[in-house]
Amino acid sequence: SQQGEEDPQALSIQEGENATMNCSYKTSINNLQWYRQNSGRGLVHLILIRSNEREKHSGRLRVTLDTSKKSSSLLITASRAADTASYFCATNQAGTALIFGKGTTLSVSS
Amino acid sequence: NAGVTQTPKFQVLKTGQSMTLQCAQDMNHEYMSWYRQDPGMGLRLIHYSVGAGITDQGEVPNGYNVSRSTTEDFPLRLLSAAPSQTSVYFCASSYPGTFPNEQFFGPGTRLTVL
Repeated sequence: SQQGEEDPQALSIQEGENATMNCSYKTSINNLQWYRQNSGRGLVHLILIRSNEREKHSGRLRVTLDTSKKSSSLLITASRAADTASYFCATNQAGTALIFGKGTTLSVSS
Repeated sequence: NAGVTQTPKFQVLKTGQSMTLQCAQDMNHEYMSWYRQDPGMGLRLIHYSVGAGITDQGEVPNGYNVSRSTTEDFPLRLLSAAPSQTSVYFCASSYPGTFPNEQFFGPGTRLTVL
């Protein structure tokens, strides 16, 4: 079964707005990662947050991790049309295997 | 560096045919894995390898075989293709670590089984 579940499944916003997507997982993790996938392409790594970290920033991205609630959120500030993509969270399961969620599809319109 | 390469980009098979999806990386990554992506299902792990000579099953291994004879290559074999294996297949690699690190993905192989 898939470890992470993203919410919402789909999100539509206007350019300049912030986009927030969430990820919940089931078992203890060592790290949680977020990836982006543009239509028809491979996935690109965005950010990794370790289990002992609560927040991490990378450019317009902000990731939080709450291990007590087994959840993470990805915030994209000041969204651009180029941010239109699917976003996936991924967590390790049984050590070395990385398991992905089903993804959130973000649409940013200009 | 070419990164992670996959061949072919597209493939059409008939039920029962066999084929091998190729994956290669030139980053000297120990960890390699295969995923399939289906609409509404996200990515599901098929097989993975933590180094040459070592492979393990993921979430959906049935119908697929892998081997890892070199650090660079991690081929995925379909012994007898079925329509349920119609999907987009992604190969990924990462540098070694106790826990999964940043994955580098290939461009994918789009497979249709008739």
